[in-house]
Amino acid sequence: DAKTTQPTSMDCAEGRAANLPCNHSTISGNEYVYWYRQIHSQGPQYIIHGLKNNETNEMASLIITEDRKSSTLILPHATLRDTAVYYCIVYSGGGADGLTFGKGTHLIIQP
Amino acid sequence: GAVVSQHPSWVICKSGTSVKIECRSLDFQATTMFWYRQFPKQSLMLMATSNEGSKATYEQGVEKDKFLINHASLTLSTLTVTSAHPEDSSFYICSAPPTDTQYFGPGTRLTVL
Repeated sequence: DAKTTQPTSMDCAEGRAANLPCNHSTISGNEYVYWYRQIHSQGPQYIIHGLKNNETNEMASLIITEDRKSSTLILPHATLRDTAVYYCIVYSGGGADGLTFGKGTHLIIQP
Repeated sequence: GAVVSQHPSWVICKSGTSVKIECRSLDFQATTMFWYRQFPKQSLMLMATSNEGSKATYEQGVEKDKFLINHASLTLSTLTVTSAHPEDSSFYICSAPPTDTQYFGPGTRLTVL
């Protein structure tokens, strides 16, 4: 079973910030929080990951709570092309194991 | 990010035939690649781990004789769906980790008539 819990769906207005929450209360000390998104009929796209510090890249920001039991992915200025299913995954890294996907959040950006 | 390609992007075949799907890492070498399957309106499910130079490891419930995996080089893994049936129709996706992060191919849509 996936070790994360996400809302099934969310709406966000175009141009506004989209904040996607994820609960991972059983995360282990060596596990990272990864975010991917999947646009319809495409392979998942890597967005960002972090261990305990907040992270930012050209796509998004990742805010991880101090106890690491939850995190929030922030898309600062959502566009229609950001409509996708967003997956939050906890993973110990190293590249030796496959990823366990939950159901994700279907983010719909409204014009 | 790293680039992973798949070929073909879609394939339609008759029941009973075999279909080969290729997964390539274009700008890095991958000793390990992963194969996933995704049915409509469902999430990705890990099928197997492809290991260069050794046998693949399969997840519970995945038939190794039906889904043949060959990882003959550091940039290529192939998945062959043998004796395909309509229930094998799905979206097949591979991934590879150049570092700790996995990058996914664009997927292959298999339709078995």
